[in-house]
Amino acid sequence: QVHLQESGPGLVKPSGTLSLTCAVSGDSISSTQWWSWIRQPPGKGLEWIGEIYHTGSTNYNPSLTSRVTILIEKSKNQFSLKVRSVTAADTAVYYCARTGDTFKETNFWGRGTLVTVSS
Amino acid sequence: DIQMTQSPSSLSASVGDRVTITCRASQSISTYLNWYQQKPGEAPKLLIYGASKLQSGVPSRFSGSGSGTDFTDFTLTISSLHPEDFATYYCQQSYTNLGLTFGGGTKVEI
Repeated sequence: QVHLQESGPGLVKPSGTLSLTCAVSGDSISSTQWWSWIRQPPGKGLEWIGEIYHTGSTNYNPSLTSRVTILIEKSKNQFSLKVRSVTAADTAVYYCARTGDTFKETNFWGRGTLVTVSS
Repeated sequence: DIQMTQSPSSLSASVGDRVTITCRASQSISTYLNWYQQKPGEAPKLLIYGASKLQSGVPSRFSGSGSGTDFTDFTLTISSLHPEDFATYYCQQSYTNLGLTFGGGTKVEI
């Protein structure tokens, strides 16, 4: 069974950088899957942030691409997310997930971690 | 960007009811359409991928389809609502790598 676990600070100051890591178990991060980040502001819907393949190839949400970086760390079987210049609008539950290669279906999700942007 | 419009945004139903949720894409997306179920405090769960393929372990009362020949209209159907099906449902297009957009969600309430 694939398991994903998000970790990182739960509170980030405005204009700062949000940094999260997703540890993967039960699958190799070098497998033929995409590894994704998705977020959900409190009480709102889902927003796709971006994804990375084991080759390092990335795709980002056009509305976030200038502030987002996703990296992969094969030696640790994990991947990471950085969001720069955060504002209160970036407050959300952040999910890491595994996404299939053909239909980009997100078939395994972490439990999610709430990140609050506040001074 | 491809916009995904779900309807209705919420509905009230009873156990045993047949429930249909619709998702419309702003342009053709072939069959690159996925459906998820989310319960409060939990991560979403994949139900249907590729418009009509049932994810392993998902009950057969869930089904997905596309209508017409322009690949813009899609439907999630729950043939007979169970108590555990009360949740919020999201569609997602995965046709383009330039933003895998979600619909706004449909809350199914008692």
